Amino acid sequence: SYVLTQPPSVSVAPGKTATISCGGSNIGTKSVHWYHQKPGQAPVLVMFYNTDRPSGIPERFSGSNSGNTATLTINRVEAGDEADYYCQVWDSSSDFHVVFGGGTKLTVL
Amino acid sequence: EVQLVESGGGLIQPGGSLRLSCAASEFTVNNYYMNWVRQAPGKGLEWVSVIYSGGSTYYADSVKGRFTISRDISKNTVYLQMNSLRADDTAVYYCARAVYSGSFHFTYWGQGTLVTVSS
Repeated sequence: SYVLTQPPSVSVAPGKTATISCGGSNIGTKSVHWYHQKPGQAPVLVMFYNTDRPSGIPERFSGSNSGNTATLTINRVEAGDEADYYCQVWDSSSDFHVVFGGGTKLTVL
Repeated sequence: EVQLVESGGGLIQPGGSLRLSCAASEFTVNNYYMNWVRQAPGKGLEWVSVIYSGGSTYYADSVKGRFTISRDISKNTVYLQMNSLRADDTAVYYCARAVYSGSFHFTYWGQGTLVTVSS
């Protein structure tokens, strides 16, 4: 089955740029979606189809996907961005299989 | 406003059964791809099951043969029947509405219901 690999944690100072990676075999050929999840809350979609932002998500959030790595970039990080971030793809190669990455804890210093 | 409200979680002994419900508001469940996604304590997200608008169903390998997803259009509710429960089924179970356009992603989530499998 398809595997997505994320770093367990990323730390960044307020106002700086955070980059969260999501690795997978030829992930550049897939559509990657991103969610953030704050403690005790449900996940929230923050990026879909690699680069599209849902309404309500700040322009500070952007995405890219190429080769074996997809990336979520958060510019001018704020304290409120602190959360767990998960990447997700749909693996259509066998039956129906949604795959999530293991998640990255973003800490704002 | 679209809402998903899960219920039915609780403490259950290993080998037992439980049925989760997901009541939807402001849309009709049979027009969308409705899913269950779970999260074990302190762990990441794991997709569990989907029911297509056309009625087809799919399951993660970890629950195949034990869990059954269904829906009641008259109640606008999606269910997850969970049988032969194991300790590693302990998790918060989220109901999530998905969109498909070449790939699936989840646009709305409920707040989740906790299932604890323990003796």
